[in-house]
Amino acid sequence: NAGVMQNPRHLVRRRGQEARLRCSPMKGHSHVYWYRQLPEEGLKFMVYLQKENIIDESGMPKERFSAEFPKEGPSILRIQQVVRGDSAAYFCASSPYLIQGTDTEAFFGQGTRLTVV
Amino acid sequence: DQQVKQNSPSLSVQEGRISILNCDYTNSMFDYFLWYKKYPAEGPTFLISISSIKDKNEDGRFTVFLNKSAKHLSLHIVPSQPGDSAVYFCAAPATQGGSEKLVFGKGTKLTVNP
Repeated sequence: NAGVMQNPRHLVRRRGQEARLRCSPMKGHSHVYWYRQLPEEGLKFMVYLQKENIIDESGMPKERFSAEFPKEGPSILRIQQVVRGDSAAYFCASSPYLIQGTDTEAFFGQGTRLTVV
Repeated sequence: DQQVKQNSPSLSVQEGRISILNCDYTNSMFDYFLWYKKYPAEGPTFLISISSIKDKNEDGRFTVFLNKSAKHLSLHIVPSQPGDSAVYFCAAPATQGGSEKLVFGKGTKLTVNP
């Protein structure tokens, strides 16, 4: 059972371009989360999705950022018209159930390091 | 609003000694806590967790203690090994209205010196 797969591992974009980050959750996991880590900071929640549904996008900037988790294929985090401040590590996590009450954990991918030049 | 706080950005210990990493939380609704370990350029990996119905959970060299009245938990690593050098994050799931997110502290960088 492969872990959470993220690609690309590293992504360099010029200001104004689009960044597309992909995440394939662990097999059997229907809950997907995206987190962002800025230098010297903890992981900040961005969005929580289940298949074909955005459940909570309260941590995601209102503009330029979007996420999807289609019926088939990976979850995608899309950042349009990137700016230097978008440079960060973006982590995807998946879990089979809601974590609270089930004593499970979220499994993280290795992350995508986005650099905007 | 930092609901999970790790007030020590770094900690350095000698190999073989005990490492104690601390975490405080402000949200009394939190009832489950997780510790993740993160190496540079890798994703966080789950280490150990504790439910609020317990005050201690042990797994090999790792023990997590929970003091609900003080809203404080700590991770003990004994004996510490050089391979334990990493950033350790404390986290709690926040559930609201069918949504759930893990709320993380800023992490503590542990260095175990040979």
